[in-house]
Amino acid sequence: GQNIDQPTEMTATEGAIVQINCTYQTSGFNGLFWYQQHAGEAPTFLSYNVLDGLEEKGRFSSFLSRSKGYSYLLLKELQMKDSASYLCAVRVFKAAGNKLTFGGGTRVLVKP
Amino acid sequence: SQTIHQWPATLVQPVGSPLSLECTVEGTSNPNLYWYRQAAGRGLQLLFYSVGIGQISSEVPQNLSASRPQDRQFILSSKKLLLSDSGFYLCAWKQGAEAFFGQGTRLTVV
Repeated sequence: GQNIDQPTEMTATEGAIVQINCTYQTSGFNGLFWYQQHAGEAPTFLSYNVLDGLEEKGRFSSFLSRSKGYSYLLLKELQMKDSASYLCAVRVFKAAGNKLTFGGGTRVLVKP
Repeated sequence: SQTIHQWPATLVQPVGSPLSLECTVEGTSNPNLYWYRQAAGRGLQLLFYSVGIGQISSEVPQNLSASRPQDRQFILSSKKLLLSDSGFYLCAWKQGAEAFFGQGTRLTVV
């Protein structure tokens, strides 16, 4: 199976930067995803990494190191609306089809 | 454009009653489809995934089953609900690099 670990909760101040780490152990790795989920809502896609390196999308960046089984999501210039859970997910290639498995999520609280 | 529909949004069912949640996808063909469950304050647990009609992979033993009678339809079912089946159920489809979620069904078993 897959082990996907990320911190349970983080707190940061509006305007600051927060980095959410995700480590994973898996075979058949075929990509890593980050999702944002506000309370009571479905997750929304943020980023996707399949090769090592940094992917930047506006205030959000995601980094992947496949050799280390490690990724992080970087949130810059934090806004109050960024308070949400951030889910790390690993896609694994299986004979029966690609499987997408999620970590437990990191709840980020942005304070004024 | 592709859209995913999931219904109902909320459901309250008594213990021992049957369950049927439906998910349909529009604007794409042969998508990979997934059912997830999320307990309150927890991460997403993969329940089932399907790569085609009639092809279902189950991730964890449980009181639920899934079926894919049509290419764009994925159904989650139970013959007799348990209290532990309560949760937020999410259908997702994936094609290429992104996965998209339905609005979710909040199921409360009483």
